[in-house]
Amino acid sequence: DGGITQSPKYLFRKEGQNVTLSCEQNLNHDAMYWYRQDPGQGLRLIYYSQIVNDFQKGDIAEGYSVSREKKESFPLTVTSAQKNPTAFYLCASTDSAMMTEAFFGQGTRLTVV
Amino acid sequence: GQSLEQPSEVTAVEGAIVQINCTYQTSGFYGLSWYQQHDGGAPTFLSYNALDGLEETGRFSSFLSRSDSYGYLLLQELQMKDSASYFCAEVRDSSYKLIFGSGTRLLVRP
Repeated sequence: DGGITQSPKYLFRKEGQNVTLSCEQNLNHDAMYWYRQDPGQGLRLIYYSQIVNDFQKGDIAEGYSVSREKKESFPLTVTSAQKNPTAFYLCASTDSAMMTEAFFGQGTRLTVV
Repeated sequence: GQSLEQPSEVTAVEGAIVQINCTYQTSGFYGLSWYQQHDGGAPTFLSYNALDGLEETGRFSSFLSRSDSYGYLLLQELQMKDSASYFCAEVRDSSYKLIFGSGTRLLVRP
């Protein structure tokens, strides 16, 4: 079955450490997205990518980095520069020709300890 | 910050009809989508409007007015399982930028 997979589901990080969240899709979608969601809040766009080897900053890119070396993969690194990284992170993808429906992974819950 | 405005919370009775409004910014607007998210889960797609008018999908309908920069999601015959957060999302121009509103928490009471 086609879908979008995020791993791990739960992640604990010590302060000062970088961590990388995985996002893989087998839907053959061109566009991929990373969002951050804080408790009771909406989804805020961190980074997005229209095609391989290209990506753009969203509204809250500071302290995060991404790469898009393969169409199916869009990993997100939360760096030590991100001052408040504890949150729920969601990855999504869309068909660039339609853009009508975004498919989401099940999310990664990151906690700084 | 968020450029889409939604009410933060709505409460309705089982079997009733509820409307969730969304206003958006006009620069580069391409279309408006709606998503449902249960607590701890991932958002799931409900509906999409690119043109003015009403789109109906079962108990859910979505409406768009480009001239008013406004849309709404209509939920009919409410069920307890409809208690969730609902987000409008704006697709912007040709950059594929997808921006979400802050969400409306719907509580369905017996």
